[in-house]
Amino acid sequence: DVKVTQSSRYLVKRTGEKVFLECVQDMDHENMFWYRQDPGLGLRLIYFSYDVKMKEKGDIPEGYSVSREKKERFSLILESASTNQTSMYLCASIPQSAGANEQFFGPGTRLTVL
Amino acid sequence: KQEVTQIPAALSVPEGENLVLNCSFTDSAIYNLQWFRQDPGKGLTSLLLIQSSQREQTSGRLNASLDKSSGRSTLYIAASQPGDSATYLCAVGGNKLVFGAGTILRVKS
Repeated sequence: DVKVTQSSRYLVKRTGEKVFLECVQDMDHENMFWYRQDPGLGLRLIYFSYDVKMKEKGDIPEGYSVSREKKERFSLILESASTNQTSMYLCASIPQSAGANEQFFGPGTRLTVL
Repeated sequence: KQEVTQIPAALSVPEGENLVLNCSFTDSAIYNLQWFRQDPGKGLTSLLLIQSSQREQTSGRLNASLDKSSGRSTLYIAASQPGDSATYLCAVGGNKLVFGAGTILRVKS
C-alpha cells in the first residue's frame, strides 16, 4: 500500500514563527502536492513538485515556500506564520503517469497559529 | 478556470437507503475524475477513479458514473450504513486536481 505520512497531526505556533511541515511518501512517486483545506472553501493547491528540486506554484502560494531535496520528501514552509494560515494542511503524491492513477493523501496536519 | 460543484452540501438518510451524490464541473477537458471520502479530522481516502475514456467504475456498494459532455458525475451508494457517514469529495484533473467543496453524509441507524 502507498503510504503518505506527515510529521505532525496537530501543531500550535505563534504569529511570526517559521513553521516546517514535512511529508514523506514511500512509493517512489514523482509528483507531490501541498493543499490547505478550510470550511466552505474545500481543498486549495498551495504548491506542487514533479521532481526533485522542481516546484510550481498552485492557486494560493502567497506566504508559503517548499523544498524537495529528496524524491520521497516534500516540505512546506511558512516563513512567518500568520493567524490566517490556521488551517488543515494535506500532502498528496501520485506517479508520473497521472491520467490513470489515484492521488494518495496523508493524514493531514491541523495547524493553529496564535 | 475549472470549477467543481457538489450537490447537496449535506444529506441525512436512514440506514439502508440508496443515495446519489452529484458532482458537476465546468471544463470537460479532464484526464480523470476521482471520488474521495474524508472522515472528520482525517486525510482523504480514494474511493473510485474514472479515467476520461470511461463511463463508470464500481467498488462494492459504490458506483460512480462520468458524463464528460454534460460535465457531470454521480456517486451512487447502495444500502447505506452508519459507517458510510463522512464527507465525500469529487475532484477532476490529471496531475493537478480541482476539488469540490464536498457533501457531508450522515446515515442514521
